[in-house]
Amino acid sequence: DSGVTQTPKHLITATGQRVTLRCSPRSGDLSVYWYQQSLDQGLQFLIQYYNGEERAKGNILERFSAQQFPDLHSELNLSSLELGDSALYFCASSTQQSRETQYFGPGTRLLVL
Amino acid sequence: AQKITQTQPGMFVQEKEAVTLDCTYDTSDQSYGLFWYKQPSSGEMIFLIYQGSYDEQNATEGRYSLNFQKARKSANLVISASQLGDSAMYFCAMSGATNKLIFGTGTLLAVQP
Repeated sequence: DSGVTQTPKHLITATGQRVTLRCSPRSGDLSVYWYQQSLDQGLQFLIQYYNGEERAKGNILERFSAQQFPDLHSELNLSSLELGDSALYFCASSTQQSRETQYFGPGTRLLVL
Repeated sequence: AQKITQTQPGMFVQEKEAVTLDCTYDTSDQSYGLFWYKQPSSGEMIFLIYQGSYDEQNATEGRYSLNFQKARKSANLVISASQLGDSAMYFCAMSGATNKLIFGTGTLLAVQP
């Protein structure tokens, strides 16, 4: 158990819908990262927050947004969902901003029908 | 741009034998970190081992060791005394000046009894 929690574990929804994925980092970790794992694109970095502020952005679609709250939990919002958004979404956390080990949550498996 | 290459899509190893999973990387950053993660069929990403670019000693964590050859830009994972529970997908990853992890395509390891 990494100490990072993600909810829900599974999510099935329809195209065009909006979903919210939730992540709680390990106790004491200030950085939260979101990754997407899909069959065609592999593991890709989406976005990073550090202590409530956005720090780095990857290949995150405009339909996706995220935030980190004062209690350090983070949410990833996916809207206008398409079939291609079906993937495993991971949250990871680390203590600081850079080059530290990132510990991953169990992931949220999203299926868009 | 940073890149991780894992050239072995899949490997077999006999139980109790050692196995080496290959990883090469490319980066223009002077300071970077190299990581290995394990992803069992259940889907979670488990951190195994970390090597900093300035670390002179190869990292070791129990049965895992990282064979770091900086001049060759390689960071191979060695698993000694393989166990059935080692059967999983293994990902090599790196972080550099940016905080995001760049992942390779992974190697699927099957440990045979």
